[in-house]
Amino acid sequence: QVQFLQSGAEVKKPGASVKVSCKASGYTFSSYAIQWVRQAPGQSLEWMGWISNNDNTKYLQKLQGRVTITRDPSATTVYMELSSLRSEDTAVYYCARGWGGSDYFSGVLDYWGQGTLVTVSS
Amino acid sequence: EIVLTQSPATLSLSPGERATLSCRASQSVGTYLAWYQQKPGQAPRLLIYDVSNRATGIPARFSGSGSGTDFTLTISSLEPEDFAVYYCQHRSNWPLTFGGGTKVEIK
Repeated sequence: QVQFLQSGAEVKKPGASVKVSCKASGYTFSSYAIQWVRQAPGQSLEWMGWISNNDNTKYLQKLQGRVTITRDPSATTVYMELSSLRSEDTAVYYCARGWGGSDYFSGVLDYWGQGTLVTVSS
Repeated sequence: EIVLTQSPATLSLSPGERATLSCRASQSVGTYLAWYQQKPGQAPRLLIYDVSNRATGIPARFSGSGSGTDFTLTISSLEPEDFAVYYCQHRSNWPLTFGGGTKVEIK
């Protein structure tokens, strides 16, 4: 069955960076995109970025320059790194499999990781 | 950016009742509208994609309708496990966006 296992919770100081991993299993890794979505406490969901099955990326404009999504096919793992952390980056970060076509059309998020809580606090 | 506005914010209903949730887009998203369910402490779960297609394993009591800018998720008869928060989401262009959510709570 399709599964995503994300790395554990992190506590970071303002200005630091965090790298969250998302290990995929149960499907052909090279055939699907991965999307990253975050959710601040008590808030709705916010799309952060996308990496296609051939390494194209797209990021939310307000995070441009701070977020980087990469993938390692040999490890069937996708990584999301967020730098220059601020208190408002405190959230649960989710990876999710995206399908439905190429580019933004791969925005049907059918399987999700369990989430990784990132807390930014001095 | 397309803004998705969900209403109502909270829906108080009893098990067995019908739930009707609304999602309105600031501009047309065609038929590229999905619905997700989220329970406390859990990741969202895909319910409906492209307006009316149920995802794998989703019961028939969940249905979606609409096109363009106005969409509806209907739960025909609420089961105890359906009390949760529901989000709509579009994929018609970048960035993907989600609505603010509708909480379906037990009356």
